[in-house]
Amino acid sequence: DTGVSQNPRHKITKRGQNVTFRCDPISEHNRLYWYRQTLGQGPEFLTYFQNEAQLEKSRLLSDRFSAERPKGSFSTLEIQRTEQGDSAMYLCASSGIGQAPRQYFGPGTRLTVT
Amino acid sequence: AQKVTQAQTEISVVEKEDVTLDCVYETRDTTYYLFWYKQPPSGELVFLIRRNSFDEQNEISGRYSWNFQKSTSSFNFTITASQVVDSAVYFCAPTPGSNDYKLSFGAGTTVTVRA
Repeated sequence: DTGVSQNPRHKITKRGQNVTFRCDPISEHNRLYWYRQTLGQGPEFLTYFQNEAQLEKSRLLSDRFSAERPKGSFSTLEIQRTEQGDSAMYLCASSGIGQAPRQYFGPGTRLTVT
Repeated sequence: AQKVTQAQTEISVVEKEDVTLDCVYETRDTTYYLFWYKQPPSGELVFLIRRNSFDEQNEISGRYSWNFQKSTSSFNFTITASQVVDSAVYFCAPTPGSNDYKLSFGAGTTVTVRA
């Protein structure tokens, strides 16, 4: 069990640029989740996948955000035309299947939009 | 609509004191699950416990114990004999569970344990 990994750990970008984050889940986990956490708040759900299928997207996920999980392994989260309000920690988690399984979180990618 | 409330924003204690964290989850669902996660200064969320809404038995695991009262939707978590390494933000995170697996995190309680 190597844990959930996320890259990059930190990203500074200028407003209007596109950014892409990657998440590698625990290898045997079918489910993969993305959350966003702003300073002083709890994480907020963005979207989740079961294998390669994206099964739910939050209303927080505007049209500028897109997530993929090709082949049901790693996932990418892309933000187009970044805005200062996108500055946050983006967390990825993975889990097995079953009723409310434990979610294992990665270290997060901290995005700063200047 | 579901609502999770962690009314305590910050708690500061001296090492070896007990710390109790409150969480209230208001929902119309009869079946749900409750998680507690810890986020130390390093930032990575660490799983602590998972309970379902059917189980109101209090449990103890090491220095952690929890108390769930379904009648008041109250799910409390206690750290006994706190240590400096327990300093972190603690999140209560319920999930409906049955076909909905996303966690709905509370705002968190910052616990500071002073030596």
